Amino acid sequence: AQTVTQSQPEMSVQEAETVTLSCTYDTSESDYYLFWYKQPPSRQMILVIRQEAYKQQNATENRFSVNFQKAAKSFSLKISDSQLGDAAMYFCAYRSTLAGGTSYGKLTFGQGTILTVHP
Amino acid sequence: ETGVTQSPTHLIKTRGQQVTLRCSSQSGHNTVSWYQQALGQGPQFIFQYYREEENGRGNFPPRFSGLQFPNYSSELNVNALELDDSALYLCASSLEVGTTEAFFGQGTRLTVV
Repeated sequence: AQTVTQSQPEMSVQEAETVTLSCTYDTSESDYYLFWYKQPPSRQMILVIRQEAYKQQNATENRFSVNFQKAAKSFSLKISDSQLGDAAMYFCAYRSTLAGGTSYGKLTFGQGTILTVHP
Repeated sequence: ETGVTQSPTHLIKTRGQQVTLRCSSQSGHNTVSWYQQALGQGPQFIFQYYREEENGRGNFPPRFSGLQFPNYSSELNVNALELDDSALYLCASSLEVGTTEAFFGQGTRLTVV
């Protein structure tokens, strides 16, 4: 079974600064997807960024980028030029690509990191 | 807005009762997953439905059951409620079972007293 670990329960950053959220995972699979989701107080889970394991290039979406280290099973999220609206709970998640298994399509989430942005 | 709607948004039930939570998937999506998110924790996978059939299940007892209807809307039923069932229940829909992206609803906050 896959596991996802976020070791930072809380992080804080000053507005306009950069912050990095950490995530490690464990799997025996060679191909999979990794995600970062944002959950604001409205509770709706919003996809921030996605990484396919077979791609060596790190994904980037505007101010959000990842550092994907497959051998180390590490997947960190960097938020540049932090904004007040970035304040939320952030979850790292894993999804298998193996078709037909009982875990197919299932997202495995970490425990989350609460990000506070100070003005 | 993701187009995934859940109802009700909040409810309170008594231990031992039964509850039904509802999810309307994004238009055209035939796959729906349900997750339980305890306070301060990450969501835990309950089960997934694809074209009206259960397609995968997490480590939840049989008193958690579900349905997916021909229009791909879905229900989560929980029997014999326990205090530990208090949580946010999230529904996520996907275009197909193999599609990468899942779109989440805003959840139903269930409190069992």
